[in-house]
Amino acid sequence: QSVLTQPPSVSGAPGQRVIISCTGSSSNIGTDYGVQWYQQQFPGTAPKLLIYTNNNRPSGVPDRFSGSKSGTSASLAITGLQAEDEADYYCQSYDSSLSGLLFGGGTKLTVL
Amino acid sequence: QVQLVESGGGVVQPGRSLRLSCAASGFTVSTHSMHWVRQPPGKGLEWVGVIAYNGHEKYYGDSVKGRFTISRDNSNNTLYLQMNSLRFEDTAVYYCARALGPFLAGEYFNFWGRGTLVTVSS
Repeated sequence: QSVLTQPPSVSGAPGQRVIISCTGSSSNIGTDYGVQWYQQQFPGTAPKLLIYTNNNRPSGVPDRFSGSKSGTSASLAITGLQAEDEADYYCQSYDSSLSGLLFGGGTKLTVL
Repeated sequence: QVQLVESGGGVVQPGRSLRLSCAASGFTVSTHSMHWVRQPPGKGLEWVGVIAYNGHEKYYGDSVKGRFTISRDNSNNTLYLQMNSLRFEDTAVYYCARALGPFLAGEYFNFWGRGTLVTVSS
């Protein structure tokens, strides 16, 4: 059971905005450690980095994707939803009590 | 062009061992932290462990600690995951990933391999 909690699923119509939350604790997101977000188009395929260190986009990631962090939670916002955004999304951070990295349980985004 | 190619997966009985490889190209593994991440069928991602760029620091997830060992061969530019005392719950696709950022606490994965499937079955 992951200690980074994400909603199992979210959905939105094309063009809409959705937000995926990631709730942690004082030993992970609530510290100075960054939060990352990954997109996985299909289970068993390589994830893709979307956001690193809370709110930074790698080159090539559309600015429709944005990240934020507040307290012990982080969020990924996707605006102007497109059919190709339908995928699984994972948050990731470091946990000082575990001395290791954590992934959230994942959120399946459905574009209606 | 950065590329990571995992190999060595297959079907193995509980209690046995298996070694996975991750061949890197387009960069040198000794200049980056390298991680293993796994994904059981139909489930989410789980961090397995890391080897630091210096090759000396290694950390593992609780579920594999004491059973799995990460190593690398700089001459072959290859990362390895030695898996001993395998259990049914180790069944997963295993990915290797290259990391950027401050070691461990600030790291993120900017390149991933396609993964190799390990099935633990009697």
